Amino acid sequence: DIVMTQSPDSLAVSLGERATINCKSSQSLLIHSINKNNLTWYQQRPGQPPKVLIYWASNRESGVPDRFSGSGSGTDFTLTISSLQAEDVAVYYCQQYYSFPRTFGQGTKVEI
Amino acid sequence: EVEMVESGGGCVQPGGSLRLSCAASGFKFTSYGMNWVRQAPVKGLEWVSYISGTGSRVYYADSVKGRFTISRDNAKNSLFLQMDSLRDEDTAVYYCARSAGHLSYWGQGTLVTVSS
Repeated sequence: DIVMTQSPDSLAVSLGERATINCKSSQSLLIHSINKNNLTWYQQRPGQPPKVLIYWASNRESGVPDRFSGSGSGTDFTLTISSLQAEDVAVYYCQQYYSFPRTFGQGTKVEI
Repeated sequence: EVEMVESGGGCVQPGGSLRLSCAASGFKFTSYGMNWVRQAPVKGLEWVSYISGTGSRVYYADSVKGRFTISRDNAKNSLFLQMDSLRDEDTAVYYCARSAGHLSYWGQGTLVTVSS
């Protein structure tokens, strides 16, 4: 199974400041034939189901504000919130869809 | 508009059974694989099971293999999860989620509580 490890477990960021969340996979998520990484980022607000922010490691989902961006390749990935807003308080998860079983990171709680 | 609505959750004793349902609408159901993902109270997300659009391929997490069975009825745009031999650690909110590689749409979830 692919193990997904996020860091940090939690972080406090001031409004308007940058938040950076890291995700490391135990094996490469890169599909060489299409040069894409099978990695997605979700946001989960309290009492809500997860919502897709980023897929293919760096593609922003339709309707997601452009302050959210994803980067990385292979085994190391990053979610960046360029200017934190109050509504961004949530838990963020990375997840690999390279192979079964699908696996999630443990989550990163972002607070103000 | 894509929508998925889970039902069938509730309280059950250890060793008991439950059958979850997910009613899907707003998209061509047969074109998508579907998943069940669960979240124990104050815990992270755990993928449970996947079924392909035709139902020919299924996968399970080791934690539920041999106890849970995923199925679908494409004529009724419905996804199911038969859960047998339930354990305390199966207590969670269970979400159905549509696959597009990643899990592109999620339902609101249904709570399953396993307790004596």
